[in-house]
Amino acid sequence: DAGVTQSPTHLIKTRGQQVTLRCSPKSGHDTVSWYQQALGQGPQFIFQYYEEEERQRGNFPDRFSGHQFPNYSSELNVNALLLGDSALYLCASSSLGQGEIYEQYFGPGTRLTVT
Amino acid sequence: AQSVSQHNHHVILSEAASLELGCNYSYGGTVNLFWYVQYPGQHLQLLLKYFSGDPLVKGIKGFEAEFIKSKFSFNLRKPSVQWSDTAEYFCAVNARSNDYKLSFGAGTTVTVRA
Repeated sequence: DAGVTQSPTHLIKTRGQQVTLRCSPKSGHDTVSWYQQALGQGPQFIFQYYEEEERQRGNFPDRFSGHQFPNYSSELNVNALLLGDSALYLCASSSLGQGEIYEQYFGPGTRLTVT
Repeated sequence: AQSVSQHNHHVILSEAASLELGCNYSYGGTVNLFWYVQYPGQHLQLLLKYFSGDPLVKGIKGFEAEFIKSKFSFNLRKPSVQWSDTAEYFCAVNARSNDYKLSFGAGTTVTVRA
């Protein structure tokens, strides 16, 4: 049973550039959430996607956008990167269909460094 | 807005010692409560969860947590820790009223000395 997978593992970008991170949910899950975890802090909710639409959004600027595909995989896009965007980006999946919407399974994360 | 407070930033203890990590949240409505663990080099894993019913919840690896509604607390306990319990522990809260996000505490790093 494949868990949540994310790619790439690590990424180094320059200020002002754009980045795309990818996530495949756990088998059987239809909902994907994205979190940002800065060093020494807990994960912060960015947004959640269900049925290819953004269902809920946290307190992040419009530079952060996402997409969910028909196969439930998802992308997180960040435009105009700032040094402060350096963090571990976590993807979590859950299942509305199985009544497990509140229980989220996390992937290993993508470490983004902005220089 | 919800917030989650974890009282200890770093806890150091010896094997066989008892562990208790504090977690308080600020939200007046019905909540779901979670403890996640992140072992070195691994991803976040669910340790235990509370949705309703018995406020004493048992999780994996001998961990348990107690929900005290009047204190807005969900403290994690383990009677006797092992070296392999060295990890970072996160408390998380979800407000059940049409809110799907998890709000996390800042985490507690637990170091168990052999």
